[in-house]
Amino acid sequence: DAGVTQSPTHLIKTRGQQVTLRCSPISGHKSVSWYQQVLGQGPQFIFQYYEKEERGRGNFPDRFSARQFPNYSSELNVNALLLGDSALYLCASSLAPNSGKLFFGSGTQLSVL
Amino acid sequence: RKEVEQDPGPFNVPEGATVAFNCTYSNSASQSFFWYRQDCRKEPKLLMSVYSSGNEDGRFTAQLNRASQYISLLIRDSKLSDSATYLCVVKGYSTLTFGKGTMLLVSP
Repeated sequence: DAGVTQSPTHLIKTRGQQVTLRCSPISGHKSVSWYQQVLGQGPQFIFQYYEKEERGRGNFPDRFSARQFPNYSSELNVNALLLGDSALYLCASSLAPNSGKLFFGSGTQLSVL
Repeated sequence: RKEVEQDPGPFNVPEGATVAFNCTYSNSASQSFFWYRQDCRKEPKLLMSVYSSGNEDGRFTAQLNRASQYISLLIRDSKLSDSATYLCVVKGYSTLTFGKGTMLLVSP
């Protein structure tokens, strides 16, 4: 069975540009969460979606947005990129929205120059 | 005070050693607790949930002390393959909060 898949695996952008990251959850999982992980830190919560509705939002600026599609896949968009947005962006899926048992994708490494 | 704080690492231990990681959390309303493992340049993976009565999974033992808002992970008979970063995770009402992680390096 396929796990959580994310694309692209790596991305290089310049300041001010916009980026879209994509995630497909494990089949049957309806909840998708997005995390940002800076080197040397733990993952930091950005968004959670369940059944196409936003169920939680972390402490990130409005430049960050996300959505979930009818097939439960998800996109994370970041506008007006800053150098500090350089990080590993992780998508995780779970069966239920309040589950602590997350299955992570291998992430998208974003570098902002 | 940070929401979830872990022992700063790294922990360097020889094979066969017993090692313990500690974690404290600030929100007394936290509902559930987990340990995740993250290998270098890989995604986090669930290691085990932490139950109030304490729980064991092979060489791994997790303990929770709600009164002290403290979680621990004990690894017995360390293997080279245990080398990784161990993340303490606390679940509130709707979100998970990850600690910074503690790196473990097991040497031959």
